[in-house]
Amino acid sequence: DTGVSQDPRHKITKRGQNVTFRCDPISEHNRLYWYRQTLGQGPEFLTYFQNEAQLEKSRLLSDRFSAERPKGSFSTLEIQRTEQGDSAMYLCASSSSAGRAYEQYFGPGTRLTVT
Amino acid sequence: GQNIDQPTEMTATEGAIVQINCTYQTSGFNGLFWYQQHAGEAPTFLSYNVLDGLEEKGRFSSFLSRSKGYSYLLLKELQMKDSASYLCAAFNQAGTALIFGKGTTLSVSS
Repeated sequence: DTGVSQDPRHKITKRGQNVTFRCDPISEHNRLYWYRQTLGQGPEFLTYFQNEAQLEKSRLLSDRFSAERPKGSFSTLEIQRTEQGDSAMYLCASSSSAGRAYEQYFGPGTRLTVT
Repeated sequence: GQNIDQPTEMTATEGAIVQINCTYQTSGFNGLFWYQQHAGEAPTFLSYNVLDGLEEKGRFSSFLSRSKGYSYLLLKELQMKDSASYLCAAFNQAGTALIFGKGTTLSVSS
């Protein structure tokens, strides 16, 4: 169990550019979540996958955001035409639908700064 | 709708006991969580309560009252390393994703 990993850890981009983040969940976990966290706030839910199916999307996930989990393993989150308001920490979490299904394990996050 | 409220900041001294309160309003209830988050790091799971009462786990305990929509996290024998943000969270209506409060920043001084 190597934990949830995210890449890159930091990303600085100019407004209007596209960015893509990757998340590798714990290997036996079939559920994967993306959250966004801004300074002084708790994480806000963006989207949820069970295996390769995207089962839930928050209203926060505008049409500039897209997430995929093509083979039910790693996931990518892409933001198109970035805006300064997109600056935040993007957290990925995973869990298993068996056993302690309620426990979500978080990755270290990708900190995005849009200039 | 769903709403989770907790104090923004708390301070305490080493060796003391501190109680961090959380009130919640949820559409359906599937459990109440506490996470710890050190600055610049990922949240880590502390506790999950789905039934009323107190659950103790070492120096940390968590309490839930479903009728009052209330929970607290109790930290005993505080250590400097307990300085962190403590996040109260509940499942969303679908019982999948977590809805977090804004977090309580705890500062422990010597």
